[in-house]
Amino acid sequence: DAKTTQPPSMDCAEGRAANLPCNHSTISGNEYVYWYRQIHSQGPQYIIHGLKNNETNEMASLIITEDRKSSTLILPHATLRDTAVYYCIVRVRSGGGADGLTFGKGTHLIIQP
Amino acid sequence: GAVVSQHPSWVICKSGTSVKIECRSLDFQATTMFWYRQFPKQSLMLMATSNEGSKATYEQGVEKDKFLINHASLTLSTLTVTSAHPEDSSFYICSARDKGYRHNEQFFGPGTRLTVL
Repeated sequence: DAKTTQPPSMDCAEGRAANLPCNHSTISGNEYVYWYRQIHSQGPQYIIHGLKNNETNEMASLIITEDRKSSTLILPHATLRDTAVYYCIVRVRSGGGADGLTFGKGTHLIIQP
Repeated sequence: GAVVSQHPSWVICKSGTSVKIECRSLDFQATTMFWYRQFPKQSLMLMATSNEGSKATYEQGVEKDKFLINHASLTLSTLTVTSAHPEDSSFYICSARDKGYRHNEQFFGPGTRLTVL
């Protein structure tokens, strides 16, 4: 799996958009970008994933640069409940028995009231 | 949908005893489940991959005789920490991959906090 780099922490005001960057300059053509988050003392939660097109779901949007070397997770209207550690993971999307995930240090997003 | 439960949510035990943690997929079938461990202020580390009906695959450095994994059905995997010691105190989290799901995202349980005295 390609290595990812994320800022260790970020602050965002409640109600504003939170933009979390991730660098993955060594990503290969068949690797997807996945985002998970972990609220304190809970199991991680899947947010979104993408290959090269921008993706949006009910939780967030994922913007992937054209060269795929970086991406940004966007939480459009952050709430206090979005305070968590956000992990950007790059990996091949396998169709059979999947490999476990390799978690980096992630970004600790703190939403300020 | 895609709910994973763990039991117990927390457990305190004496050194030398064994502890069993259950991981269940409540509304889907999971041919593959994963066990992770997380020490305070650290990230999750994959311990093993559990496949229904076959032996688990352990990551390097994880003792298979100490962390026994059983995946007897498509909805249940268990992790038994044998002869637990204080250094085994950690947050244990399981995840499951939905057999019928198109994507490869994993669904995580809420975790089990183990404290060994």
